[in-house]
Amino acid sequence: DGGITQSPKYLFRKEGQNVTLSCEQNLNHDAMYWYRQDPGQGLRLIYYSQIVNDFQKGDIAEGYSVSREKKESFPLTVTSAQKNPTAFYLCASTNRQAPRDYGYTFGSGTRLTVV
Amino acid sequence: AQTVTQSQPEMSVQEAETVTLSCTYDTSESDYYLFWYKQPPSRQMILVIRQEAYKQQNATENRFSVNFQKAAKSFSLKISDSQLGDAAMYFCAYRSTFYNQGGKLIFGQGTELSVKP
Repeated sequence: DGGITQSPKYLFRKEGQNVTLSCEQNLNHDAMYWYRQDPGQGLRLIYYSQIVNDFQKGDIAEGYSVSREKKESFPLTVTSAQKNPTAFYLCASTNRQAPRDYGYTFGSGTRLTVV
Repeated sequence: AQTVTQSQPEMSVQEAETVTLSCTYDTSESDYYLFWYKQPPSRQMILVIRQEAYKQQNATENRFSVNFQKAAKSFSLKISDSQLGDAAMYFCAYRSTFYNQGGKLIFGQGTELSVKP
């Protein structure tokens, strides 16, 4: 079955360390998104990509970086510049080439904790 | 920029009763999509219902229906015959139809719904 796989499910980061969250989809979707979820703040967009080798900053991109070298993969790196990275991270994808709204598929998320 | 506001952080409903979750949004666009997503304790995002702005008819999916008031920029979700499995965080979301907006979903803060047996 097609879907989005996020790994790991839980991740612990030490102060000053970079960590990378994986997001892989086998849906042949062209667009992929990273959201951060904090209590009381909903989901906020970090980065998104509509095609391979291209991506745009979302509302809270500072301290994060991404790459889109393959259509299936959109990894998110949380750098040491992100001062408060403890949060739940969700990856999503959709087919932007489809007529009208195609729907979104979400991963099961990664819980990142700073230790 | 578009914004979505959910003013009810928490709601509670008795099993088998009806509850309405509120959502307001701000946009200058005339064509867009609105969504309600459910996030149970598993944290998996589940689409509940979707509304296209150009359609005047309110969307309905079984026990879930919306009251879409375009002029008032209001998009409330009504859950009828509430069930214990409806307990979850509910998010309202907006999406522009303009391609240069990237297809991104803009979410509200969420409403935590509890269902009492």
